[in-house]
Amino acid sequence: GAVVSQHPSWVICKSGTSVKIECRSLDFQATTMFWYRQFPKQSLMLMATSNEGSKATYEQGVEKDKFLINHASLTLSTLTVTSAHPEDSSFYICSARWTRLNEQFFGPGTRLTVL
Amino acid sequence: GENVEQHPSTLSVQEGDSAVIKCTYSDSASNYFPWYKQELGKGPQLIIDIRSNVGEKKDQRIAVTLNKTAKHFSLHITETQPEDSAVYFCAVISQAGTALIFGKGTTLSVSS
Repeated sequence: GAVVSQHPSWVICKSGTSVKIECRSLDFQATTMFWYRQFPKQSLMLMATSNEGSKATYEQGVEKDKFLINHASLTLSTLTVTSAHPEDSSFYICSARWTRLNEQFFGPGTRLTVL
Repeated sequence: GENVEQHPSTLSVQEGDSAVIKCTYSDSASNYFPWYKQELGKGPQLIIDIRSNVGEKKDQRIAVTLNKTAKHFSLHITETQPEDSAVYFCAVISQAGTALIFGKGTTLSVSS
């Protein structure tokens, strides 16, 4: 159990376009999901906390108008990178919190490349 | 805010040897300490965790120990195998109580 999926697994887009990444908890309900960003050979950096039915909480330095997060249901959160630029190229990973035991399970990640 | 230090950054061992990775944290109120394994190009996988009311937890070749007084916890892998080669991250629940704060990671290489 405790499977989290992400779609797409990789995406290449042109500068200026928007990209949507989906994160789903497949076998449990997650009232809270998290979005992380990871650059090569670095640790995971928390971007935002997404709570079902409410606005996301963004970490300092993360532009909320650029990284739009929607958590419309207990099993789905989406991250939209708007007007993407090459510096947004990164590995984006979501996680879902299993409320009962506070454990967090991660998706497989989405590799975004902006040309 | 919470600060997590992880050492070493790289660790090379021979197959069959033990590997130990240590993390220290700053917030004494932290109460959940997971370890994740990340293989290249994949998301982190939860391999073991420990809560503040326990001093040690073991799952086959993997164990975690926690010293709340000293504010550090360690991952122990015994009888290492080449498939254990990966990046390992420790994490701590933040002061807010929901988000994980990660260490910088340890690249473990197990040579046969």
